[in-house]
Amino acid sequence: ETGVTQTPRHLVMGMTNKKSLKCEQHLGHNAMYWYKQSAKKPLELMFVYSLEERVENNSVPSRFSPECPNSSHLFLHLHTLQPEDSALYLCASSQENPGPYEQYFGPGTRLTVT
Amino acid sequence: GQNIDQPTEMTATEGAIVQINCTYQTSGFNGLFWYQQHAGEAPTFLSYNVLDGLEEKGRFSSFLSRSKGYSYLLLKELQMKDSASYLCAVNGATNKLIFGTGTLLAVQP
Repeated sequence: ETGVTQTPRHLVMGMTNKKSLKCEQHLGHNAMYWYKQSAKKPLELMFVYSLEERVENNSVPSRFSPECPNSSHLFLHLHTLQPEDSALYLCASSQENPGPYEQYFGPGTRLTVT
Repeated sequence: GQNIDQPTEMTATEGAIVQINCTYQTSGFNGLFWYQQHAGEAPTFLSYNVLDGLEEKGRFSSFLSRSKGYSYLLLKELQMKDSASYLCAVNGATNKLIFGTGTLLAVQP
């Protein structure tokens, strides 16, 4: 595997379900990110982990819970989601301090909440 | 506040040149990125500008003017496969990327 991988690619879940999204980067980067991409809206940064520490949490509802067990893996745990949470969830990684800072994205998980 | 503006949609002809503009207002600036995103796929990195001027990379070039809060992406010799969304993103004061809504480019024969 190369680059950034995400599983599953598609997920349909009810509002009472609990599921997790997984991201793995094979680039040796030290920072990982979760983004939400909804139709007609900019990419929204949700969480940032740098050197496995959470450094950013952009006012994301508590029904989204990230976990970064090591620098290569990132999870997003989901529970009691709402229909408006349906979106494409993208994971990215980058090398920081030093750079070069450009972020490499995974293919995303298309989430539908019913 | 932080704001990044790009046109929503553009149309161009195969073989032509197209310029996609981006204006930004952010509380800090540590560089500007352009990404390409085909429908249903991940964004892929195209270019990075941190100093004023033009960066050329094959058929794609990107320009930055920090004093004007302005950048453009220039695509030459357009091909059908260039039909995609083009995302402008600024590395702001918090050193995290702020994205625009993207410009959907349609290349016609």
